[in-house]
Amino acid sequence: EVQLLDSGGGLVQPGGSLRLSCAASGFIFSDYAMTWVRQAPGRGLEWVSTITGSGDRTFYADSVKGRFTISRDSFKGTLYLQMNSLRAEDTAVYYCAKDYPIAAVKFRGDALFDFWGQGTLVTVSS
Amino acid sequence: DIVMTQTPLSSPVTLGQPASISCKSSQSLVHSDGNTYLNWLQQRPGQPPRLLIYQISNRFSGVPDRFSGSGAGTDFTLTISRVEAEDVGVYYCLQATEFPRTFGQGTKVEIK
Repeated sequence: EVQLLDSGGGLVQPGGSLRLSCAASGFIFSDYAMTWVRQAPGRGLEWVSTITGSGDRTFYADSVKGRFTISRDSFKGTLYLQMNSLRAEDTAVYYCAKDYPIAAVKFRGDALFDFWGQGTLVTVSS
Repeated sequence: DIVMTQTPLSSPVTLGQPASISCKSSQSLVHSDGNTYLNWLQQRPGQPPRLLIYQISNRFSGVPDRFSGSGAGTDFTLTISRVEAEDVGVYYCLQATEFPRTFGQGTKVEIK
């Protein structure tokens, strides 16, 4: 059974830092890109960042570029999001999601964004 | 960036009646590999998003067959053939053809 367990959220002051984690199980972690998506209170879904299965390429939304860093540890099966210089507008529930497969396993025809974590709340406030 | 526009933003429906949500993209979602990475997600109150439909029309595992997706290119539709009480929530289209990934604004389905 695929599981994604988000953690690491909390209350932080503007300008502060936080690191989110997403522990994955039930699938071959390094076979899939992974993505962070966030949702501000009462708002829609916003893509934040994606990292390839091998970890060699990363992608960021303009709103977080230069402040957030996505990474992964394939041995631990864990995805991370290091968030620095946090702003009030970063307040949101952050979800990790399983994204696209590496080329070698694309033949499986897996859906993109088929599994999501339960979310972890980040509140940026003084 | 690809802009995803959903209509309507709110859909009050009667139990047992159909509901339909439109999603239009600002450019074609056909990937260079020939697939179209257009997904539909459901988010019930207080819950994370859940995948319903992927690549326009494929129902994900465990999704009831009253949910169906259709469309091509830039115009896509999610249809619920007979709305049930458990279908209340917000529905999003998502394009995963290119970066940045982009979502529609969301359509709130509620019971009249």
